[in-house]
Amino acid sequence: AQKVTQAQTEISVVEKEDVTLDCVYETRDTTYYLFWYKQPPSGELVFLIRRNSFDEQNEISGRYSWNFQKSTSSFNFTITASQVVDSAVYFCALTPMDSNYQLIWGAGTKQIIKP
Amino acid sequence: DGGITQSPKYLFRKEGQNVTLSCEQNLNHDAMYWYRQDPGQGLRLIYYSQIVNDFQKGDIAEGYSVSREKKESFPLTVTSAQKNPTAFYLCASSIDWEYNEQFFGPGTRLTVL
Repeated sequence: AQKVTQAQTEISVVEKEDVTLDCVYETRDTTYYLFWYKQPPSGELVFLIRRNSFDEQNEISGRYSWNFQKSTSSFNFTITASQVVDSAVYFCALTPMDSNYQLIWGAGTKQIIKP
Repeated sequence: DGGITQSPKYLFRKEGQNVTLSCEQNLNHDAMYWYRQDPGQGLRLIYYSQIVNDFQKGDIAEGYSVSREKKESFPLTVTSAQKNPTAFYLCASSIDWEYNEQFFGPGTRLTVL
């Protein structure tokens, strides 16, 4: 089965706290891509990161960091020192090579940052 | 500025009417996609097009139709056969269908009364 699971439906934290969004995936493929997208209240999805399955290096971009672990089929996303502007729904997605490259989406995690 | 435009932002229609949602991109992308999003839900793929004059059904194509006569345009028609058309519709594009880093438009919120 090809599947992306985001078990956290909603997370609420206070500003300046760190928060980690979990993403667990299932795929038969040995080669695939993983993505994170952000959907702010305006509705438009914003691309955050694309990761190749061959590259397990963690990545940091400002306050954002991603932890990719093939051994546990996880691609978790951490926001350090949350800000109110981080309030959004975050989606994890997978593109296995045998599904005609179509994105398989998780259900999303709604993150609420309180001032 | 390069990007994807969808119009209108909000659309109201009476039950039984067909309605066409516009999607235009000036990114010179080959692939384009239509998704449906219901409240509190993820994205579901309606149709996609890998290249001009070609398109394929996604997971929930019933009651929808598309065309891809020009590279920059991928309009979606919601027909009267779609039983629950009220939803948020998102259009996306990517450089090609293999690379698949998708860029999204602002979406159209369709309400059928």
